Amino acid sequence: AQSVTQLGSHVSVSEGALVLLRCNYSSSVPPYLFWYVQYPNQGLQLLLKYTTGATLVKGINGFEAEFKKSETSFHLTKPSAHMSDAAEYFCAVSDAPGGSYIPTFGRGTSLIVHP
Amino acid sequence: ETGVTQTPRHLVMGMTNKKSLKCEQHLGHNAMYWYKQSAKKPLELMFVYNFKEQTENNSVPSRFSPECPNSSHLFLHLHTLQPEDSALYLCASSQDRADGPQHFGDGTRLSIL
Repeated sequence: AQSVTQLGSHVSVSEGALVLLRCNYSSSVPPYLFWYVQYPNQGLQLLLKYTTGATLVKGINGFEAEFKKSETSFHLTKPSAHMSDAAEYFCAVSDAPGGSYIPTFGRGTSLIVHP
Repeated sequence: ETGVTQTPRHLVMGMTNKKSLKCEQHLGHNAMYWYKQSAKKPLELMFVYNFKEQTENNSVPSRFSPECPNSSHLFLHLHTLQPEDSALYLCASSQDRADGPQHFGDGTRLSIL
């Protein structure tokens, strides 16, 4: 069984500050990991994903995430927050080949950006 | 353009009404999903279809009835809903592969009077 924990239901940063959204997972097999963003009145959009290969993954809008197997983490970062980054962020995990293709989502973290 | 289109975007209905939500994708995906998103609650997976066959039903009340006539279309038929069913209903599609991300529609905001 797989699970995802996103620490902090809300994260507040100032515009221009570092964004760090935390995600820890548990999986019985090597995982595939995803970050999605949801803007108000919209569905979820893929930000980035890790499947195999390089553990530092770059996504859209200047976000990146690093897969750390030893820490079972996949934290999302952005060097400088912009007002337009204010949204809900979801981490998700699915099992590598042989497991379920249906992902498990975390509870989400709301990113608040102050001017 | 997300590739997944949901209609209507907003729906207000009484508890005795019958209505349907529609989802359409032209991404060539063979898996389609219904999720419920309520305020202050995690995303809830309701149903999963793969090649038109239902593969998941997460103990959803029978007042929600899904239908998947083909791999491109998914419906959620609603009848005698309760106030606690008010939520954003999201449809998604994907390949039936673990490394394939889900593509979401913008949802139907449902309000039960």
